[in-house]
Amino acid sequence: EADIYQTPRYLVIGTGKKITLECSQTMGHDKMYWYQQDPGMELHLIHYSYGVNSTEKGDLSSESTVSRIRTEHFPLTLESARPSHTSQYLCASSEPGASGTYEQYFGPGTRLTVT
Amino acid sequence: DQQVKQNSPSLSVQEGRISILNCDYTNSMFDYFLWYKKYPAEGPTFLISISSIKDKNEDGRFTVFLNKSAKHLSLHIVPSQPGDSAVYFCAASRSYNTDKLIFGTGTRLQVFP
Repeated sequence: EADIYQTPRYLVIGTGKKITLECSQTMGHDKMYWYQQDPGMELHLIHYSYGVNSTEKGDLSSESTVSRIRTEHFPLTLESARPSHTSQYLCASSEPGASGTYEQYFGPGTRLTVT
Repeated sequence: DQQVKQNSPSLSVQEGRISILNCDYTNSMFDYFLWYKKYPAEGPTFLISISSIKDKNEDGRFTVFLNKSAKHLSLHIVPSQPGDSAVYFCAASRSYNTDKLIFGTGTRLQVFP
């Protein structure tokens, strides 16, 4: 059973505000990810991390930033929120499976609305 | 350009019947494929996967078929149950041991009594 948590679950905030979306996992996974998903669209990888002090940008360009100071914690920050940032943000972590492949475990997501 | 395509946004199936969800991909470098299921207000959960060295993988009621020449995979659910009603995402990766996934847009499955 995967244990990965995201807070807040829902956030409505005004333009220009700074926000941090929290993601924590209790499984000790080294690899963590942030995805962005608009309604009816695919999940897009925006950030990932292979361990403490490791962060990389994903395939979709994002104005957000991430940090990985502790293994279990991978927060995402938007310095100045804009309506174009309105989306669902999903955090995930992974570990190698028995056959060497990776299974990603997802958190419940944060639905962000910027007004 | 979308590399993983799920052309049917929705599918409605009667309980007990077979559900077939389809997925096409364009990148011939993809060699590992996964299906995820997502309920409303929850994150996706892993369902089943298949590597390119196989053409079929089965797990209980769920079977995934891979046709490499057609760049097509499908998920079969037999028999379908109301609890299977969810959005199903197909995902692919470029290498067997990489964790960077490319997702499709999802197919919403509704199983009715």
